[in-house]
Amino acid sequence: AQSVTQPDIHITVSEGASLELRCNYSYGATPYLFWYVQSPGQGLQLLLKYFSGDTLVQGIKGFEAEFKRSQSSFNLRKPSVHWSDAAEYFCAVGASGSARQLTFGSGTQLTVLP
Amino acid sequence: NAGVTQTPKFQVLKTGQSMTLQCAQDMNHNSMYWYRQDPGMGLRLIYYSASEGTTDKGEVPNGYNVSRLNKREFSLRLESAAPSQTSVYFCASSEEGRGELFFGEGSRLTVL
Repeated sequence: AQSVTQPDIHITVSEGASLELRCNYSYGATPYLFWYVQSPGQGLQLLLKYFSGDTLVQGIKGFEAEFKRSQSSFNLRKPSVHWSDAAEYFCAVGASGSARQLTFGSGTQLTVLP
Repeated sequence: NAGVTQTPKFQVLKTGQSMTLQCAQDMNHNSMYWYRQDPGMGLRLIYYSASEGTTDKGEVPNGYNVSRLNKREFSLRLESAAPSQTSVYFCASSEEGRGELFFGEGSRLTVL
C-alpha cells in the first residue's frame, strides 16, 4: 500500500526567505505525486503535480517541486516566501492519475513572519 | 465561477441525529468524492462516485451513506451521528485520469 509522510508539522519562515517543505512517499512503482495548498477556511487547491518526465516541476504561485526517486521524496520549494503563502500544505501520492487512489499526507502548517 | 459548492458550511448535531451534506459541481466532471479532514490525519476518502448512478466505498465509509443524484450533485448522509464524526467534510470533483481534485470550501460538523 502507498503512504506519504510529511515530517514537519509546523514550519515558520520570515517573509522573503526561502522555503522547503518535505514529503517522503512509499510506493513500489513510479508514483503520481501532488502538492495541494489549503488557505484558512478554504478547500484544497492544486499547486503542482508530477506524473512523468522532467523531475523538476513548476507550479502556480512560484512553487516548484523535485521528484527524487533515490530518496523517495518530492519536496516543495519556493525561493522567496510571501505573507500570503501562510497556509497548510499537503503532499499526496497516487498509483495512477486517478484521484480515487490518492493518499494524502498529514500536512505542514506554514507560518510567515513579517 | 462556482466550481464545487457545499452546504451547509457549519452544523451542530446531537448524538443520534441525522443530516445530509449537499454538494454540487458545475465543471461537468464525472467523478465526485467526499473526504473528511481531521487534525494530523490529512484527508481520508469516505465515498466516491465515478459516474452518475455509481458509488463506492473509500477508506472510512462506516456511518455514512451517499447518493449521486445526477452528474452535478453528490450528497453525504449521516443516519445516526456520533461524536467520532465531528470533522470537516470536503466534497471534491475531478476529470478522471487528470489527477487534479477540485474542492469545495468544506462543511464543519460538530456532534455533541
